[in-house]
Amino acid sequence: AQSVTQPDIHITVSEGASLELRCNYSYGATPYLFWYVQSPGQGLQLLLKYFSGDTLVQGIKGFEAEFKRSQSSFNLRKPSVHWSDAAEYFCAVVRYNQGGKLIFGQGTELSVKP
Amino acid sequence: EPEVTQTPSHQVTQMGQEVILRCVPISNHLYFYWYRQILGQKVEFLVSFYNNEISEKSEIFDDQFSVERPDGSNFTLKIRSTKLEDSAMYFCASSEGQGASNEQFFGPGTRLTVL
Repeated sequence: AQSVTQPDIHITVSEGASLELRCNYSYGATPYLFWYVQSPGQGLQLLLKYFSGDTLVQGIKGFEAEFKRSQSSFNLRKPSVHWSDAAEYFCAVVRYNQGGKLIFGQGTELSVKP
Repeated sequence: EPEVTQTPSHQVTQMGQEVILRCVPISNHLYFYWYRQILGQKVEFLVSFYNNEISEKSEIFDDQFSVERPDGSNFTLKIRSTKLEDSAMYFCASSEGQGASNEQFFGPGTRLTVL
């Protein structure tokens, strides 16, 4: 069965520092990959997605993610973190032939130090 | 910008009681979903719904759960007899089309507390 692992439960970075959130997936073929963000009291908002093609995808709010098939990873990055980026981040996968059933990782909570 | 809304934001109920969680999907969307997140655990898929039928459901979605689109705008999740382990955040989502390429838009969630 497919699964998603986010190894880091909680990460703290200083404002202005770079960020990388890790995501690994287990799946027999290339899945569709997503990153969502959840701010307190808000729903899950899509940051970016990867289906095929260029393995480096750009998203909203200055985020990007790189798909690495050899490592079964889809890590999320941002070159310079802002205090407003503090939130919970979820990596998710969908099998191409399983409609919209999203399978989520456990989430990584990001704190930003001034 | 259109958004998915959910009511109530927080529901407290006694074990064994029925609860109905309500969602208003984005108006031109045709596919609807419920997910839940037990505190400290992953967001889990419960059910997807299209054309007034369940498209897919997880093993969590047993006979105690049901979904309905009663009036063309609301999408509800009913839990017939709540258990302590049903305490979780429940998220509704909707999408224009089916398939992985269609973005799901999520509501802010309803926190259900079963006492």
